[in-house]
Amino acid sequence: AQSVTQPDIHITVSEGASLELRCNYSYGATPYLFWYVQSPGQGLQLLLKYFSGDTLVQGIKGFEAEFKRSQSSFNLRKPSVHWSDAAEYFCAVGSYSGGGADGLTFGKGTHLIIQP
Amino acid sequence: DTGVSQDPRHKITKRGQNVTFRCDPISEHNRLYWYRQTLGQGPEFLTYFQNEAQLEKSRLLSDRFSAERPKGSFSTLEIQRTEQGDSAMYLCASSPGQLPYEQYFGPGTRLTVT
Repeated sequence: AQSVTQPDIHITVSEGASLELRCNYSYGATPYLFWYVQSPGQGLQLLLKYFSGDTLVQGIKGFEAEFKRSQSSFNLRKPSVHWSDAAEYFCAVGSYSGGGADGLTFGKGTHLIIQP
Repeated sequence: DTGVSQDPRHKITKRGQNVTFRCDPISEHNRLYWYRQTLGQGPEFLTYFQNEAQLEKSRLLSDRFSAERPKGSFSTLEIQRTEQGDSAMYLCASSPGQLPYEQYFGPGTRLTVT
């Protein structure tokens, strides 16, 4: 069975500082990996995804993530955070069958707090 | 393209009552998913459809839960004889039948069972 671990429940970062959110996955085959962001009272917004190819993927809002197969990790990074980045971040792993995506398995999330 | 919509956004019900939620996916998306999210947790997969066929159901989906997508467009999720443990955010997502198969989420329906 596939699983996702986000080791950090809360992270506090000063505005303008760099950010790294950790994600480790367990999956038997080549994983399809995602990062989503959820602001209070909002739905989930896709930040970026990894399917294959280049292990460093770029996303929206200046985020990037690096897939490391040897470490089963897909960490999210941003060089300089803004107060508007404060939100809940979820890592997810997925699979595909029959011409479409199966249900995603999410981690428990990391709550990002931005200090002024 | 107006995105995935869900109705209602909030529902308060008494224990033992039945509730039904609706999800309208992005048009022409052939896959539709239901997830449940409780406070402080990530979304948990419940079930999904390809067109009108229900392809997979999680073990989380007890027999009090039923989902339909009768014409391959909108979907409904019904919970019968609600329990306090059903209180959660119910999220719907849709995905096209072509790569990269991204799932787009709706705003969710917040259910409170009193």
